Amino acid sequence: AIRMTQSPSSFSASTGDRVTITCRASQGISSYLAWYQQKPGKAPKLLIYAASTLQSGVPSRFSGSGSGTDFTLTISCLQSEDFATYYCQQYYSYPRSFGGGTKVEIK
Amino acid sequence: QVQLVESGGGVVQPGRSLRLSCAASGFTFSSYGMHWVRQAPGKGLEWVAVIWYDGSNKYYADSVKGRFTISRDNSKNTLYLQMNSLRAEDTAVYYCARDLTPGATITGGVFLYWGQGTLVTVSS
Repeated sequence: AIRMTQSPSSFSASTGDRVTITCRASQGISSYLAWYQQKPGKAPKLLIYAASTLQSGVPSRFSGSGSGTDFTLTISCLQSEDFATYYCQQYYSYPRSFGGGTKVEIK
Repeated sequence: QVQLVESGGGVVQPGRSLRLSCAASGFTFSSYGMHWVRQAPGKGLEWVAVIWYDGSNKYYADSVKGRFTISRDNSKNTLYLQMNSLRAEDTAVYYCARDLTPGATITGGVFLYWGQGTLVTVSS
């Protein structure tokens, strides 16, 4: 099974900051990687798939990059509605797997 | 609009069984792979199982293999998860989720649509 490791697990940031979250796969997954945002009590929301393809309706301040084993999610200018937990997920092989999550908190 | 509505959650004793349902609407159910994803209280997301759009293949997380069974009834637009031999560690909110693209099989597993989740609590 492929293990997905996110870093950091949490951090504090301010509105307007540029933030980057890292996701590493235990083996190569090409570009079969998705990113989700989850707010408390809600289902996750798809942000990016195929490592860098922005889902329709997602603000352009979100971007993704990487391939193989190392990936990043970048929020170029953090907004108040972006404070949430973010998960990466591989869909290269079964069983599918998620990273442990990165909680972005208000500084 | 796409809707996924889970039901069947509740409190169950360890070792007992429970069946979850996910009623789908707003899209051609028989064209999409469907998944179950769970989230233990205060924890991260864990993928549980998938069934391909035509029911021809199913895959499971190691943690539930041999105890859980995913199935679908395309005539009723409904996804199921039969959970047997439940353990305390199965306590979680269970979400059903739909593949992003129709007909996806081995590359399925991008979840655009999610249900609201149903809570399963395994406790004596």
